[in-house]
Amino acid sequence: SQTIHQWPATLVQPVGSPLSLECTVEGTSNPNLYWYRQAAGRGLQLLFYSVGIGQISSEVPQNLSASRPQDRQFILSSKKLLLSDSGFYLCAWSVLGLPGNTIYFGEGSWLTVV
Amino acid sequence: AQSVTQLGSHVSVSEGALVLLRCNYSSSVPPYLFWYVQYPNQGLQLLLKYTSAATLVKGINGFEAEFKKSETSFHLTKPSAHMSDAAEYFCAVSLRDDKIIFGKGTRLHILP
Repeated sequence: SQTIHQWPATLVQPVGSPLSLECTVEGTSNPNLYWYRQAAGRGLQLLFYSVGIGQISSEVPQNLSASRPQDRQFILSSKKLLLSDSGFYLCAWSVLGLPGNTIYFGEGSWLTVV
Repeated sequence: AQSVTQLGSHVSVSEGALVLLRCNYSSSVPPYLFWYVQYPNQGLQLLLKYTSAATLVKGINGFEAEFKKSETSFHLTKPSAHMSDAAEYFCAVSLRDDKIIFGKGTRLHILP
């Protein structure tokens, strides 16, 4: 069966520090991968999605970036965090090329920028 | 572009009462529609989804939703609320690509 792992689960970082959140998917090949952010009262915001290695689409301009160095690995990064980057970050995957297919979420990472 | 609107950021119902969470979508083509549930400090789980088969979709935990094209709605219902239903619920829409757009969520409170 497929599983998705996301870490770290919680993170407290000072303003201006770098960020790296990592996500891996097991049990499937060539998935679509997504990063969402959930901020209080704003629902789920799609940040990045990827349909293959090195193929990243950015949905919202910001100081975050994403990379997909391997088929089932998706990394969310920042060189300098802002206070507004605080939130709950969710990695997710779905089957490539199958519209309407279910999207599966990881357990999330809480980021607090102080 | 497609979008999803969830009416009511908070909904309170008494235990045993009907649950109704509202979702309206905007789409120029027939969409795929989803309801997800999120328990505190966890990721999202799929409750049910509509993919152009039956308009009444049954999901897990006794929830169901009805796709109404004329009203562009996909409201979520459950006949009798249980305390364990307290959570945040998200409606989502997807078209022919692989992106899924979520609504802002509705937090469901169950009153004893």
